[in-house]
Amino acid sequence: EAGVTQSPTHLIKTRGQQATLRCSPISGHTSVYWYQQALGLGLQFLLWYDEGEERNRGNFPPRFSGRQFPNYSSELNVNALELEDSALYLCASSPLNTEAFFGQGTRLTVV
Amino acid sequence: GQSLEQPSEVTAVEGAIVQINCTYQTSGFYGLSWYQQHDGGAPTFLSYNGLDGLEETGRFSSFLSRSDSYGYLLLQELQMKDSASYFCASSGAGSYQLTFGKGTKLSVIP
Repeated sequence: EAGVTQSPTHLIKTRGQQATLRCSPISGHTSVYWYQQALGLGLQFLLWYDEGEERNRGNFPPRFSGRQFPNYSSELNVNALELEDSALYLCASSPLNTEAFFGQGTRLTVV
Repeated sequence: GQSLEQPSEVTAVEGAIVQINCTYQTSGFYGLSWYQQHDGGAPTFLSYNGLDGLEETGRFSSFLSRSDSYGYLLLQELQMKDSASYFCASSGAGSYQLTFGKGTKLSVIP
């Protein structure tokens, strides 16, 4: 069974640009969670999608947005990139139980 | 809101036992999870406590005391491959996203 897949693995953008990150959950999982992991910090919750709807968002500005498609894959968009957005962005899927399955992440570097 | 505190670094000898503590302040606390993350890798699920007490999974055990807002992860028979960061994470009733601690970097030395 395929795990959570994320693309691209690495992404380099310049300040002010937009970044789009993609995530495919484990087959059968309807919930997708996005987390930001900046260097030396823990995972900060960004967004939760379930059944195509945004269910909750963390304490991030509106330039962080996303969506979930009918096949439950998800996209995270970061507009007007700032240097401090450089981080590992992790996607996780869950069958709404206690365990989350994480992808390998997208390493976003803003220069 | 939710916040979790855990030590930033722990060093232990191969073959020994190590305990990583986690204290939390949360509203609507539902349960405590533990995740392992090797450098450059994805976090992987280790254990979950929804009720007070000890949960054992092989060499790893996790404990929760709701009255003390405290939990710990116990790693026995440490191996070099256990060198990684360990995160405690809480979940709230009705909302399944996890709130993570900042992580404990475990170094296992020969």
